Amino acid sequence: KQEVTQIPAALSVPEGENLVLNCSFTDSAIYNLQWFRQDPGKGLTSLLLIQSSQREQTSGRLNASLDKSSGRSTLYIAASQPGDSATYLCAVYTNAGKSTFGDGTTLTVKP
Amino acid sequence: EAQVTQNPRYLITVTGKKLTVTCSQNMNHEYMSWYRQDPGLGLRQIYYSMNVEVTDKGDVPEGYKVSRKEKRNFPLILESPSPNQTSLYFCASSFTRSYNEQFFGPGTRLTVL
Repeated sequence: KQEVTQIPAALSVPEGENLVLNCSFTDSAIYNLQWFRQDPGKGLTSLLLIQSSQREQTSGRLNASLDKSSGRSTLYIAASQPGDSATYLCAVYTNAGKSTFGDGTTLTVKP
Repeated sequence: EAQVTQNPRYLITVTGKKLTVTCSQNMNHEYMSWYRQDPGLGLRQIYYSMNVEVTDKGDVPEGYKVSRKEKRNFPLILESPSPNQTSLYFCASSFTRSYNEQFFGPGTRLTVL
């Protein structure tokens, strides 16, 4: 059974820092991986989707990488801002349509 | 506006009283999915659907039913709700399984007394 782990569970940084969130998964037979952000009491907002054949994706200050063989993905956030404070979730998808989510990393960016 | 909608957003009910949570998307997406989110357990997939009349079990399907009679709608049915189904429920959709960027609805907070 696929298991997804996100480290750290919580992270607090001062504004302006660059930071890395980690996601690892046990079964490398994934179809793609998606990073989301979730604000308290809200739904999930898609940040980046990486297909299994890709190594990385970028959107603005966000960069996500994928190393399928080692079962790892990282989300890099450059020049963090207080508005980046949220919980960040990664999800892996199989070819059959099943998905497994990590428990998330709760990020606090202090002004 | 492209979106996934869920109704109701909040629901308090009693054990055993059948209920349906509706989910609708206006993006002509083939793939739809239901999740529940619980503290300490994260998001878990309940059921998913690759297309009309095609549904499959996720990791926690017990106590739930779904149907996909139309492409845009994917209702979640609790025939006999129990307190352990108290949770935050999310519906999601994506264009196809192969382009699987999922878009999520706003969530339905269900309390079963």
